[in-house]
Amino acid sequence: DSGVTQTPKHLITATGQRVTLRCSPRSGDLSVYWYQQSLDQGLQFLIQYYNGEERAKGNILERFSAQQFPDLHSELNLSSLELGDSALYFCASSAEADTQYFGPGTRLTVL
Amino acid sequence: AQSVSQHNHHVILSEAASLELGCNYSYGGTVNLFWYVQYPGQHLQLLLKYFSGDPLVKGIKGFEAEFIKSKFSFNLRKPSVQWSDTAEYFCAVKVDSNYQLIWGAGTKLIIKP
Repeated sequence: DSGVTQTPKHLITATGQRVTLRCSPRSGDLSVYWYQQSLDQGLQFLIQYYNGEERAKGNILERFSAQQFPDLHSELNLSSLELGDSALYFCASSAEADTQYFGPGTRLTVL
Repeated sequence: AQSVSQHNHHVILSEAASLELGCNYSYGGTVNLFWYVQYPGQHLQLLLKYFSGDPLVKGIKGFEAEFIKSKFSFNLRKPSVQWSDTAEYFCAVKVDSNYQLIWGAGTKLIIKP
């Protein structure tokens, strides 16, 4: 158990819908990272937040957004969902600048 | 642009065979290096990391990796693999100009019992 929690574990929704994924980092970690993992694209970095501020952006679509709240938990919002958005979404957190600890992931299925 | 290359996408070995997974990166400055493992149906877990010091790093479950600066490499090794090592292995690099890690594409390792 890494100490990073993610909810929900599974999410099934329809195209065009909007969902919110939640991540709670390890106690004391200020950084939260979001990743998407799919069979065809592999592991893709989406976005990083540090202490409430966006720090780095990766291959995140405009339909996706994230935020980190004062209690350091983070949410990833996915809107206008498409079939191709079906994937595992991982959250990771870190205290040091580098070592990331991953949560169990949310499996999103878009029908 | 900085990149991380894992040369083998799939590796199949028999139990007790020796393992070496390649990882090369393209960046000439200071780097921090990581290997993560993802067992089937699970999340990524840190296997080992190198920040500085002895370039031979020992990790969990009998894995080790050697940082060779001149070759821009950080290969993962294990002298004798077990069926339970079946997993996907990811190499990642942090360069001093970036906040996030640069990830390799992963190597799927299958160990035949």
